[in-house]
This record gives sequence, structure tokens and C-alpha cells, in this order.
Amino acid sequence: SQQGEEDPQALSIQEGENATMNCSYKTSINNLQWYRQNSGRGLVHLILIRSNEREKHSGRLRVTLDTSKKSSSLLITASRAADTASYFCATDADGNNRLAFGKGNQVVVIP
Amino acid sequence: NAGVMQNPRHLVRRRGQEARLRCSPMKGHSHVYWYRQLPEEGLKFMVYLQKENIIDESGMPKERFSAEFPKEGPSILRIQQVVRGDSAAYFCASSSVSGGSGDEQFFGPGTRLTVL
Repeated sequence: SQQGEEDPQALSIQEGENATMNCSYKTSINNLQWYRQNSGRGLVHLILIRSNEREKHSGRLRVTLDTSKKSSSLLITASRAADTASYFCATDADGNNRLAFGKGNQVVVIP
Repeated sequence: NAGVMQNPRHLVRRRGQEARLRCSPMKGHSHVYWYRQLPEEGLKFMVYLQKENIIDESGMPKERFSAEFPKEGPSILRIQQVVRGDSAAYFCASSSVSGGSGDEQFFGPGTRLTVL
């Protein structure tokens, strides 16, 4: 899981498998966003889920949000080698656009 | 539609020098954010600007750091008298709207600052 004092997670999977990573947060939020960062590169926006939404899909990505548990998960289905990256969740606590990032989940997809 | 542009991509400075980082938001975006990423860590918010206004600078160090987003031209993050601890990747993001519901922030490629 990400955020707070938790250590970043590392996940190594075979190509074609699904990858699931989690994110927890401490305050109430307005929305939660997931980003991907390839080594030494910038961040790519993947998906935004608002506090009144429970699940959202985008291509091979599925994001869930459980505001009662203050947690979110990102599922990548049928992973590809190109999915190898670090994945960050970021929360917007009060709609002020000041994103708070977790420490990230490192995913390695083995061809 | 070009994305968020940052330059330079890499910047090397000696201790005590000044560093100037530039960010041009996506076309049509009027909100700019700066974040800093230390090695092996997530991004930390620094400052949020609109044209000619600083909206939120709660993440900016009190000394040596300043940011602006003039009416014309890119946003500038300025670090005076750099120290080794300033070495990091500095990312700029932009969004088209702001308000109670928030909006996606799109990030630039970052400027990697190395202080010798």
C-alpha cells in the first residue's frame, strides 16, 4: 500500500497476468488519481475517481474506491512488458488541487 | 496539442548558484502546480499558481524558493543559493479548471536538478 509511513511495494509478475496495487489515505478526499511513472521520466495520468464513485474503468485499468476504508486499488489486466513502471496514487483532500502522493508501487512485468 | 513543457530537462549547479526552472502549461490550461520528487519517494506539493497569482504556496520552503506565473510566458520556479539538498526532480503540472470537484493534473517531463 502507499501513503503515510508505509513502505513502497514492489510487484513482479509474468506478462499476461493481472497486477493489483493498493493505496490508502488518511483524510477525507474529493478525488483520487492514479499516475504511472517510467524510470527517470515524467508522470502519466491514468485515471481520476471522485469521492462519490466506487469503480471506474479505462481500457485495461480498473480502479476502485472505498471511502469507508479510505483505500483504493488499481488493477491492470493482461499485463504487458510496457506496463513496467512505478504507479502512484494521489489524493485531493478538499478540492484545492494540492495533490498528496503516496510513495508508489513498483511493478515489473516479465516478458 | 503539446503537453506540459519543462526546460531545462537537466540542470547542474554548484552550491550557492541560482537555479531557474521553466514550465509552459498545456494549451488552454491556466493553473500550474510545482512538485518536488526526492529519490525513491513520491512527489511533494510545493506551490499552486494561476496567471499573476500565487494561490497556495504551503509546500514551498520559506527561504530561497520562489515561483511566479506571469501574464505572458512560462511559470518559473526559482531557487536561490542552491544547496546539495535541493537536488531532486522538479515536476510541473497544469489543469484547466479548479474548484470543488478538482480536475486532472497533467505533468511535464520534469527538470532534474543536481547540485554539486
